[in-house]
Amino acid sequence: GDSVTQMEGPVTLSEEAFLTINCTYTATGYPSLFWYVQYPGEGLQLLLKATKADDKGSNKGFEATYRKETTSFHLEKGSVQVSDSAVYFCALSSNDYKLSFGAGTTVTVRA
Amino acid sequence: DVKVTQSSRYLVKRTGEKVFLECVQDMDHENMFWYRQDPGLGLRLIYFSYDVKMKEKGDIPEGYSVSREKKERFSLILESASTNQTSMYLCASSIHRDYTDTQYFGPGTRLTVL
Repeated sequence: GDSVTQMEGPVTLSEEAFLTINCTYTATGYPSLFWYVQYPGEGLQLLLKATKADDKGSNKGFEATYRKETTSFHLEKGSVQVSDSAVYFCALSSNDYKLSFGAGTTVTVRA
Repeated sequence: DVKVTQSSRYLVKRTGEKVFLECVQDMDHENMFWYRQDPGLGLRLIYFSYDVKMKEKGDIPEGYSVSREKKERFSLILESASTNQTSMYLCASSIHRDYTDTQYFGPGTRLTVL
C-alpha cells in the first residue's frame, strides 16, 4: 500500500538557517504529493503541493520538487524565521482521494 | 476562505460514555474525513464520506462510527469511549473525488477519556 517516510525530528535551528526535511514515498501509479503544516494549537493547512513528476511546489519561501526517479519530495527553505516553528507533514494521494501521511517533523526555530 | 469548524476544542469524557464529535464545512465540499493524530504516528484515517448518507471505512475504524445526514455536517461517534481513544481528532473536507485535491482541516478536538 501507499506509505510516506519523513525524517524524524525534532529539528532545532537558529533564525536564518537553512531547513531541509526529507520525505520519500511508496505508491502505486502516479501520486500527488503534499506538504501540510500545523502551527501550535491549530489544525493542518496546506503548505504546497505537486501533482506530477518534476513539478515544483512553492509557498512562503518553502519549496519541494516531485522527484519520481528517487520517489522523494524533500521540503526546503533557505532562511527560516521563528514563525516557521511548527510540525510539518508530508503526504500523498494516489488513485483515490485519501491522504497517507508521514509521522510529522517538529521544527523549532530559535531567535 | 474555506472554513471547517469542529464543535469542541477540548473534551473530557469517562470510559464507557457515548461521545459525539461534530464537524461542519461551509464550502459545499463533497468529501469529508475524520482523522486521529497521535505523536509519532502522523494522521490516521478513521472514516470518510463522499456524499450525504455515504461512508467508507478508513485505516482504523474500530470503535468508531460516523453519520452524514447533511452535506455540510459529518459526525464522529464513539459508541463506548475507552482510554485508548484519547487523542487529537481532526476533521477535513475536499471539493470532489480527485487525488490532486487539497484537504482543508478544522482546528481539532483534543479528547481525553478518563
